Amino acid sequence: GEQVEQLPSILRVQEGSSASINCSYEDSASNYFPWYKQEPGENPKLIIDIRSNMERKQIQELIVLLDKKAKRFSLHITDTQPGDSAMYFCAARSNVGDNSKLIWGLGTSLVVNP
Amino acid sequence: ETAVFQTPNYHVTQVGNEVSFNCKQTLGHDTMYWYKQDSKKLLKIMFSYNNKQLIVNETVPRRFSPQSSDKAHLNLRIKSVEPEDSAVYLCASSRGRYTEVFFGKGTRLTVV
Repeated sequence: GEQVEQLPSILRVQEGSSASINCSYEDSASNYFPWYKQEPGENPKLIIDIRSNMERKQIQELIVLLDKKAKRFSLHITDTQPGDSAMYFCAARSNVGDNSKLIWGLGTSLVVNP
Repeated sequence: ETAVFQTPNYHVTQVGNEVSFNCKQTLGHDTMYWYKQDSKKLLKIMFSYNNKQLIVNETVPRRFSPQSSDKAHLNLRIKSVEPEDSAVYLCASSRGRYTEVFFGKGTRLTVV
């Protein structure tokens, strides 16, 4: 299978609280999971990624968790700020023969209310 | 600072016209992509081009065709545009399989 499910599609939180976005994938051979942030009018930019040899990775307020057994990974933003408001996309890299393909989630619109 | 350059930024055209979008990357990457992002912000891969090997998303209509002169350039041509082609077209590149994908700023196409 080649789908990545991403939930929720819309997430509203209060400034200072944490936000969590969950993704699940189908291809058990997937081994690279990036997260992209897209601000209004801008291009998507990589904010954090995790490879399958890790279960947890943190960069400042961003934490990603990977559960290979359940084929799930998640992004957690602690102490959210208004500047965190954006679209967030998860993805999973799936190998197809000699090629690899990045399968994208449908995105989460995060709104951080001041 | 973006290193994937797209032109034009915006394009408005009428149904049935042909359009062409340009993309150049200065990162020395081997793989380039075209994505379509619709009004719901869904990201859909259209093409990827790696070492002159083209991989096509089978759902892409045949009026779309990528054009590459070298690994730093991947243009997109649309013959006879239709209203549902209105979207932002994002060009991107990456070095390899498990590395970051860099996106351009996008070309917003409006078909009237």
